[in-house]
Amino acid sequence: GAVVSQHPSWVICKSGTSVKIECRSLDFQATTMFWYRQFPKQSLMLMATSNEGSKATYEQGVEKDKFLINHASLTLSTLTVTSAHPEDSSFYICSTGQGTGTIYFGEGSWLTVV
Amino acid sequence: QQQVKQSPQSLIVQKGGISIINCAYENTAFDYFPWYQQFPGKGPALLIAIRPDVSEKKEGRFTISFNKSAKQFSLHIMDSQPGDSATYFCAASKGAGTASKLTFGTGTRLQVTL
Repeated sequence: GAVVSQHPSWVICKSGTSVKIECRSLDFQATTMFWYRQFPKQSLMLMATSNEGSKATYEQGVEKDKFLINHASLTLSTLTVTSAHPEDSSFYICSTGQGTGTIYFGEGSWLTVV
Repeated sequence: QQQVKQSPQSLIVQKGGISIINCAYENTAFDYFPWYQQFPGKGPALLIAIRPDVSEKKEGRFTISFNKSAKQFSLHIMDSQPGDSATYFCAASKGAGTASKLTFGTGTRLQVTL
C-alpha cells in the first residue's frame, strides 16, 4: 500500500489565488520531505527540501515566497502555491524516505491555474 | 548541470523482449541508485535499487547492472510485457536515510508492443 499520501490529487484554481497541497507519510515519521514539480514528458525537478521544525531549503531558481513550505509535524508537509499563475500549472510530487534509505513518492497533485 | 544522464529517451520493445535502459553518473559520492517507474498521471514508484557494493541485483523480471569504474548502471526488463509500458527514471543520491536528495535522469518512455 501507499506509504506517502498526497492531497488533493488534482486542483483547479483561479489566477491570483493560493492553493495548498498536503503530503503525509503514513507508516513512519519523516523529518525530511522533498517537493518536486514535473512538466509533461519531462523529468522531476526538485524544488525544495522540507525539514520538520525548521525552514525549508529551496533549490536555486525556486521562489521561496511563492512556494511556501511548512513541515509542522513528523508526518505532514504542505506546499502552498501563492498568487498562482497559469505558468505554475504542473504536476507536484512529494517524497520522503524511511530509515533504510528507501525513498517513496506520493501520487502527485495536478495543479491547473485558469 | 545534468549529473545523471539517461538513454535512450524512448524505447519500443516487442512483447517478450528485453528492455535495456542505461544511465551514467558523474558524482562519485553517489552511493544509492534507484529506478522508478511512472505511469501517466501518477507519482513515481520505486522499482528496484542498488548500492555500489554489488554489481548486479535482480528482482523478478527486473535487473540492475552496476559498473562502478565506468560510473554506469542499467535496468534490464526481461520478458517485457505491455503492462510495463511506462516512463522509467534512474536516479542517484549521496548517502542513505531520509535526507537523501535524489538526482534524476531525464527518463525513458518504454512502449511494449504486442
